[in-house]
Amino acid sequence: QVTLRESGPALVKPTQTLTLTCTFSGFSLTTSGMCVSWIRQPPGKALEWLARIDWDDDKYYSTSLKTRLTISKDTSKNQVVLTMANMDPVDTATYYCARSLGTTPYDFWGQGTLVTVSS
Amino acid sequence: QSVLTQPPSVSGAPGQRVTISCTGSSSNIGAGYDVHWYQQLPGTAPNLLIYNNINRPSGVPDRFSGSKSGTSASLAITGLQAEDEADYYCQSYDSSLSGSGVFGGGTKLTVL
Repeated sequence: QVTLRESGPALVKPTQTLTLTCTFSGFSLTTSGMCVSWIRQPPGKALEWLARIDWDDDKYYSTSLKTRLTISKDTSKNQVVLTMANMDPVDTATYYCARSLGTTPYDFWGQGTLVTVSS
Repeated sequence: QSVLTQPPSVSGAPGQRVTISCTGSSSNIGAGYDVHWYQQLPGTAPNLLIYNNINRPSGVPDRFSGSKSGTSASLAITGLQAEDEADYYCQSYDSSLSGSGVFGGGTKLTVL
């Protein structure tokens, strides 16, 4: 069955770079049309899409955050990595990875990982 | 500010019907992109509830239904149950934000 799991630090300091890893199983990012996105949710607030990587290595970023984000994949390890530079307390959120096929819905989500930005 | 607009909260008594609206624009819902709905129970990840405007994934009760018209979409829940109390989000895509999935601001459903 399809599963995704996010991993990374629970606490980062302001100005540091955050690195999150999404490890998945039950599908392959070499399959035509397959995509993995990162989505975050600050405490008590709405979902915000961050970035997406496609099976053919196309990459897309939130226009408001694209200067700070980098997404990559390692198909041999079934992993997608997101880095976010220059972290700020407003970036405190639960970060999710999710699967989709192009513009189809996010049909499987990880359980999320809470990242707190504080000195 | 979310690209898609939802009411912050709705409420209803058990057994009643409620609807949640999702209003977009000509670059997202109005451009023909499908709308999807997610239910998020407290402390959990969002779960796909309605996809491609009107379809229910396997296991979702038929009390939940979706519709789309013009630049808006709606989620209807009939026969409200206490377990339906959750946050609901609509999602689509936006042609002006390449590759970007856009979400609504979320609606908190309270079952009275």
